[in-house]
Amino acid sequence: DSGVTQTPKHLITATGQRVTLRCSPRSGDLSVYWYQQSLDQGLQFLIQYYNGEERAKGNILERFSAQQFPDLHSELNLSSLELGDSALYFCASSIQGENQPQHFGDGTRLSIL
Amino acid sequence: GQNIDQPTEMTATEGAIVQINCTYQTSGFNGLFWYQQHAGEAPTFLSYNVLDGLEEKGRFSSFLSRSKGYSYLLLKELQMKDSASYLCAVRDLGKLIFGQGTELSVKP
Repeated sequence: DSGVTQTPKHLITATGQRVTLRCSPRSGDLSVYWYQQSLDQGLQFLIQYYNGEERAKGNILERFSAQQFPDLHSELNLSSLELGDSALYFCASSIQGENQPQHFGDGTRLSIL
Repeated sequence: GQNIDQPTEMTATEGAIVQINCTYQTSGFNGLFWYQQHAGEAPTFLSYNVLDGLEEKGRFSSFLSRSKGYSYLLLKELQMKDSASYLCAVRDLGKLIFGQGTELSVKP
């Protein structure tokens, strides 16, 4: 158990819909990262938050947005969903420091029908 | 651009030693991580290198050469449970840039 909690574990929805994925980081971790993992793309970095502020952005689509709340939990919002958005979405957290590993949650499996 | 290369698949025998290579070309470098991922599960942290040389952690060792943009993960005394995907990731400022992963199959 990494200590990172993601909900829900599975989500099935239709094209055009909007969903929210939730992540609670490990106790004491201020940084939260979101990744997308699909079969053909591998693990792709989406966005990082540190103590409520956006810190780094990867290949995140404009239809996707995220935020980190004062209690440090984070939400990833995906809108106008397309079939290609079907993937595993992972949240990771870490404490501050270059040599600190990111610890991953169990992921949310999103299926678009 | 960002490029991280690993072999797609490897097969090894239980009890043997296997080396998984990773080469990288990234715009920034703040360290290299190795993760293990079983199918459908979360990646779990194995090792970290930021300086050249070998880091040893039990049955797992990882090596880094920054001048060559090269790393390897060495797994000794292979066990069946080591069958998994092994992901090489370069840290560029805050974010991790992952390779596609090497699927390791351990055979009896």
